[in-house]
Amino acid sequence: ETGVTQSPTHLIKTRGQQVTLRCSSQSGHNTVSWYQQALGQGPQFIFQYYREEENGRGNFPPRFSGLQFPNYSSELNVNALELDDSALYLCASSFPQGAGGYTFGSGTRLTVV
Amino acid sequence: AQKVTQAQTEISVVEKEDVTLDCVYETRDTTYYLFWYKQPPSGELVFLIRRNSFDEQNEISGRYSWNFQKSTSSFNFTITASQVVDSAVYFCALSGVNRDDKIIFGKGTRLHILP
Repeated sequence: ETGVTQSPTHLIKTRGQQVTLRCSSQSGHNTVSWYQQALGQGPQFIFQYYREEENGRGNFPPRFSGLQFPNYSSELNVNALELDDSALYLCASSFPQGAGGYTFGSGTRLTVV
Repeated sequence: AQKVTQAQTEISVVEKEDVTLDCVYETRDTTYYLFWYKQPPSGELVFLIRRNSFDEQNEISGRYSWNFQKSTSSFNFTITASQVVDSAVYFCALSGVNRDDKIIFGKGTRLHILP
């Protein structure tokens, strides 16, 4: 049984650019959530996808968007990057019956310069 | 509103000492989940425990133990006979029980186990 895999592991982008982060969910998990973890902080919920639709969103602007594919993998897109978007982006997959069993990936470290 | 507070930002103890990480939470939900996660330097969040709000029994897993006190809204984590490999950032977290409920994390406690 594979866990959650995220790509790339590290990324450097310039302010104003756009970025796409990818996540493959754990086998059998059809719900994917994305979290942003700034340095020295706990992870903050960005949004969740279930059956290819957004199913809850945290306090993030619309330039943070996502997709979920039929195989339950997911993408996080961030447009018009700002310096404060520099963070570790974590993907978590789970079954849909509540917060019972989230499995987190190792994250993508995004640096905006 | 839901909130998790981990008042200890950083703790250092010498190997083999016991250490307790504090967690206090706020929620208006009557049913909820509480979690502890470990984040080693590699970055991934490693699940340690999930506790349902209905279950106030303390739990022990090897050197790890958890003390859930609903009356004080606390869910503390104790490592007995600490080891260097326990060095990491530990997060306490809270969630509702519905499908679309998000996990609310505390700011974490960085634990240094000194050899």
